[in-house]
Amino acid sequence: AQSVTQLGSHVSVSEGALVLLRCNYSSSVPPYLFWYVQYPNQGLQLLLKYTSAATLVKGINGFEAEFKKSETSFHLTKPSAHMSDAAEYFCAVTPGGGNEKLTFGTGTRLTIIP
Amino acid sequence: DSGVTQTPKHLITATGQRVTLRCSPRSGDLSVYWYQQSLDQGLQFLIQYYNGEERAKGNILERFSAQQFPDLHSELNLSSLELGDSALYFCASSLSVTNEQFFGPGTRLTVL
Repeated sequence: AQSVTQLGSHVSVSEGALVLLRCNYSSSVPPYLFWYVQYPNQGLQLLLKYTSAATLVKGINGFEAEFKKSETSFHLTKPSAHMSDAAEYFCAVTPGGGNEKLTFGTGTRLTIIP
Repeated sequence: DSGVTQTPKHLITATGQRVTLRCSPRSGDLSVYWYQQSLDQGLQFLIQYYNGEERAKGNILERFSAQQFPDLHSELNLSSLELGDSALYFCASSLSVTNEQFFGPGTRLTVL
C-alpha cells in the first residue's frame, strides 16, 4: 500500500522567502509522486510529477521537488514566494504501472505574508 | 481550465434523497476517476473507470455507484443521502499511460 504524509497543515512564509513544503511517502513499489495545488473554490491543478526519471523535477510557477529515496521524501520548494502562491498544496502517490489510483496527503495550506 | 467539466457546480438536497453528478473528461482521455473531498476525510479516491469498464475501487460506499458511458462521460450516483455525504466531489481524467490526472472544478454537495 502507498501513503504520503505532509508535515505541517499550515505554513506561512514572507513574500520573497523560500517556500518549503514537506512530503514523505511510504510505498512497497517504486512510486510515482505528484504535487497538486488547489486555489480557493477551484479544482486541483498538477504542479509537477516524478515518474522515476530525473530525481529533481521542475514544475509550473517556479516550483520544483526532489525525490530522495534514502529519505523517502519528495519536498516541494520555490526559491521566492509570491502572493499568488497562497493556496492548499497536496502531495499524492500512485504505485504506477497501470494503477492510477491517487492517494493524497492531508494537504498544507500556504499563507504568504506581505 | 483543465478541460474536464462537471455539472452541476452546486447541489443542495435533503437527507434520504438521490442525486447524480456528471463529468465529461478531456477530449481523448479514456480514464475517469471520482474523488471526494471533505473536511474530516480529506481527499479520497472513490472509483475509476477506463473506457467504460470499472478499473479500481476505493472507499466508495454501497449507497454510491458510478458508470462511464460509450461517449466516455461519467456519472456518480449518490442515494439515501446522509448529512455526512456533504462534500466536494471531483472528477478527473487521464490518458492512463502517463498517470497524470486532470481535475474538474468539482461539484459541491450540501445535504440538509
